[in-house]
Amino acid sequence: QVQLQESGPGLVKPSETLSLTCTVSGGSISGYFWSWIRQPPGKGLEWLGHVSYSGSTSYNPSLKSRISLSVDTSKRQFSLKLTSLTAADTAVYYCARETATRLLDFWGQGTLVTVAS
Amino acid sequence: QSVLTQPPSVSGAPGQRVSISCTGSSSNIGAGYDVNWYQVLPGTAPKVLIYGRNNRPSGVPDRFSGSKSGTSASLAITGLQADDEADYYCQSYDNTLSGSVFGGGTKLTVL
Repeated sequence: QVQLQESGPGLVKPSETLSLTCTVSGGSISGYFWSWIRQPPGKGLEWLGHVSYSGSTSYNPSLKSRISLSVDTSKRQFSLKLTSLTAADTAVYYCARETATRLLDFWGQGTLVTVAS
Repeated sequence: QSVLTQPPSVSGAPGQRVSISCTGSSSNIGAGYDVNWYQVLPGTAPKVLIYGRNNRPSGVPDRFSGSKSGTSASLAITGLQADDEADYYCQSYDNTLSGSVFGGGTKLTVL
């Protein structure tokens, strides 16, 4: 069974950079996209972007200038960096496995990130 | 403003049938991309409910079904139960945005 676990800070200051890592256990890293999705409090889900096992990326255009995704297949991890944070970036951040048909079939439990001074 | 449009809320009595719509455009649902449906219970990660052409993961009861026509899709739930009360999201791929897109979510209330 594939399991994903997010890790990173729960509190980040405005204007700083958020760094989150997702560790994958079970299953193969190859052949899939590895995605980040967030949900602000009381709001809906927003797809942020994905990175393939080979390192190619696709980003939500609304974040394109601020987001960077990477993968480390040897550690079975993929990472998110989001710069120039504001209160609007406060959300539960999820990592997920994305199949070739764009199904997000396995999700991490999510981690709440609060942007505040 | 979500790329896919869902009603904010639907409700039904136990045992009844409800339907949740998901309206997109020619760059996502209308382009033939799969529509997937997720159930989100409070404080938990989204769970796949329906994927592709009306497929259910193991463990999802057949009370849940999906359909698609043109630029829209629907999730139907029959025999409503109290524990169906949750938020439901549709998701697809958009070739203009080159990425996944979600609906705004629909809150199901079981009366």
